[in-house]
Amino acid sequence: QVQLQESGPGLVKPSQTLSLTCTVSGGSITSGGYYWNWIRQHPGKGLEWIGFIYYTGTAYYNPSLKSRVTISLDTSKIHFSLKLTSVTAADTAVYYCARGARFGVVSRDFDYWGQGTLVTVSS
Amino acid sequence: QSVLTQPPSVSAAPGQKVTISCSGSSSNIGNNHVSWYQQFPGTAPKLLIYDNDKRPSGIPDRFSGSKSGTSATLGFTGLQTGDEADYFCGTWDISLSAVVFGGGTKLTVL
Repeated sequence: QVQLQESGPGLVKPSQTLSLTCTVSGGSITSGGYYWNWIRQHPGKGLEWIGFIYYTGTAYYNPSLKSRVTISLDTSKIHFSLKLTSVTAADTAVYYCARGARFGVVSRDFDYWGQGTLVTVSS
Repeated sequence: QSVLTQPPSVSAAPGQKVTISCSGSSSNIGNNHVSWYQQFPGTAPKLLIYDNDKRPSGIPDRFSGSKSGTSATLGFTGLQTGDEADYFCGTWDISLSAVVFGGGTKLTVL
């Protein structure tokens, strides 16, 4: 059973960088066929896809966030991380990591999710 | 404003049938597979339907999915109070080059 767990600060100051890590267990990031995603949910709102990374290190981002986002893979291939720069209150959300099926450059069918972590942007 | 349009809420009595719609365009639903997610308050979404109409292992056949043109539908039969949750549709949008989701529908079992 694949499990994902997000970790990182729950409070970030405006203009600073949000950094989160997702730890994968019960399965391998290096198994092909999957992209490893970050998805966020603003309070009381819908889901917003942030981007994904493949085990090769190739990453793809939502164009709406691309200028501020970096998703990277730890050399251990057990963790993958999210960095979001220049945050504002609009970045306050629950951040989830999730595994998605890989179809070419498309990630979909998110079958395993972390429990989510609330990140609040406030001074 | 979400790219995919869902009704904010639907309701039905226990044991009844209900459907949730997800409307998109040719750049998303019209040319890609749709997945559906169930989310209880304070928990992560759970994959309910993938590839328009397929159920992951462990998902009861009371849940069904379908797609026609630029719209998709999530169906429930034999509604249970435990089905009360938020439901989201999602797919890839070719024009936006991004995964897009609906705004979510709150299902109330009266």
